[in-house]
Amino acid sequence: ELKVEQNPLFLSMQEGKNYTIYCNYSTTSDRLYWYRQDPGKSLESLFVLLSNGAVKQEGRLMASLDTKARLSTLHITAAVHDLSATYFCAGTTTSGTYKYIFGTGTRLKVLA
Amino acid sequence: EAGVTQFPSHSVIEKGQTVTLRCDPISGHDNLYWYRRVMGKEIKFLLHFVKESKQDESGMPNNRFLAERTGGTYSTLKVQPAELEDSGVYFCASSQVLIPTSASTDTQYFGPGTRLTVL
Repeated sequence: ELKVEQNPLFLSMQEGKNYTIYCNYSTTSDRLYWYRQDPGKSLESLFVLLSNGAVKQEGRLMASLDTKARLSTLHITAAVHDLSATYFCAGTTTSGTYKYIFGTGTRLKVLA
Repeated sequence: EAGVTQFPSHSVIEKGQTVTLRCDPISGHDNLYWYRRVMGKEIKFLLHFVKESKQDESGMPNNRFLAERTGGTYSTLKVQPAELEDSGVYFCASSQVLIPTSASTDTQYFGPGTRLTVL
């Protein structure tokens, strides 16, 4: 059964700094998703990583996938206050219902 | 295009009461999912509808939870009677395709959630 572990749970960082959120998963996942959630809002899809070595970038966020290590990372470059949110990674089951298996989320706070 | 909507946004009830949560998926999305996040924990799958049929309800905690999707449009999730451990945020999501093709970046689209507090 797929399990997804995400760390850290909380991250407080200064503006302008870089940091990485890690997402480990236990067995094969069809693909890997990253979502962002602002308080009281919907989960917003950030990235869909389809294959080993996939790298996607949007603004100050870059996500990568290493299927051999069963690891995905979300790298934040030169953080700004607007990036404060909760970030979730999710894998998917490869049999039965195509459901998402989420990590615990990382609550990011960027301090001015 | 309207996104996934959920009602209510918050609900505070007492133990033993009944609560019904509603989800309106994106128009045309046959697949509808319910998930739940208990405070500080991961978001967990509850069940999946394809149109009006329950495809997978393996994540439903117990028989106090009843989900319906009348006519394959909106869905309701009823908790009766509510217990303290039912508190959390209930998310609904919808998608157009059941299983994305290998090159597809289709995702599940999530609503803002209903925060349920059972006192």
